[in-house]
Amino acid sequence: NAGVTQTPKFQVLKTGQSMTLQCAQDMNHNSMYWYRQDPGMGLRLIYYSASEGTTDKGEVPNGYNVSRLNKREFSLRLESAAPSQTSVYFCASSSRRDGDYEQYFGPGTRLTVT
Amino acid sequence: AQSVAQPEDQVNVAEGNPLTVKCTYSVSGNPYLFWYVQYPNRGLQFLLKYITGDNLVKGSYGFEAEFNKSQTSFHLKKPSALVSDSALYFCAVRHLNRDDKIIFGKGTRLHILP
Repeated sequence: NAGVTQTPKFQVLKTGQSMTLQCAQDMNHNSMYWYRQDPGMGLRLIYYSASEGTTDKGEVPNGYNVSRLNKREFSLRLESAAPSQTSVYFCASSSRRDGDYEQYFGPGTRLTVT
Repeated sequence: AQSVAQPEDQVNVAEGNPLTVKCTYSVSGNPYLFWYVQYPNRGLQFLLKYITGDNLVKGSYGFEAEFNKSQTSFHLKKPSALVSDSALYFCAVRHLNRDDKIIFGKGTRLHILP
């Protein structure tokens, strides 16, 4: 049971390049999330998916798109990277069964945009 | 709107002393509250949660948290700090209208001094 996995761990992009961050969970959770973490800002929600086939914007969705490919996988795409998107990105998942609302996080992707 | 506040950016405690990391919340209705810990270069790990019942909640690594409705607080505590407890701690509250969505505080960095 690997929990939540993310690839890649590190990435450097030039301004204007695109990339997709991958996330997968093996806990049969319904909900999945993408956050970014910046110094002094805590965690900010980018997008989330309450179930397969649905996605919703979070607090900071501009410049990002997501795909909930199936129940296990939730990807985050940067179409045209900007230096302001330099951050650490975390994927998380949660189950709503029996009041289990806590989220479980992946190890993160450290992205630098130059 | 739902929110949590962590009034201290950093807390320093000597090893062996009791520690407290503060959190206050603002919610409509009954709160679901969480604490997470983040070690360097890692994702967030779930520590404990309060949903209902006993106001003192016990969690992982010897941590506990006390729910105080009159003071709208949910402080994290440990009777005897270890150097290995040094990390970033996040308080969080479940969103009112989306029970699979969690709102995080900005985090408190805990330094345990040997």
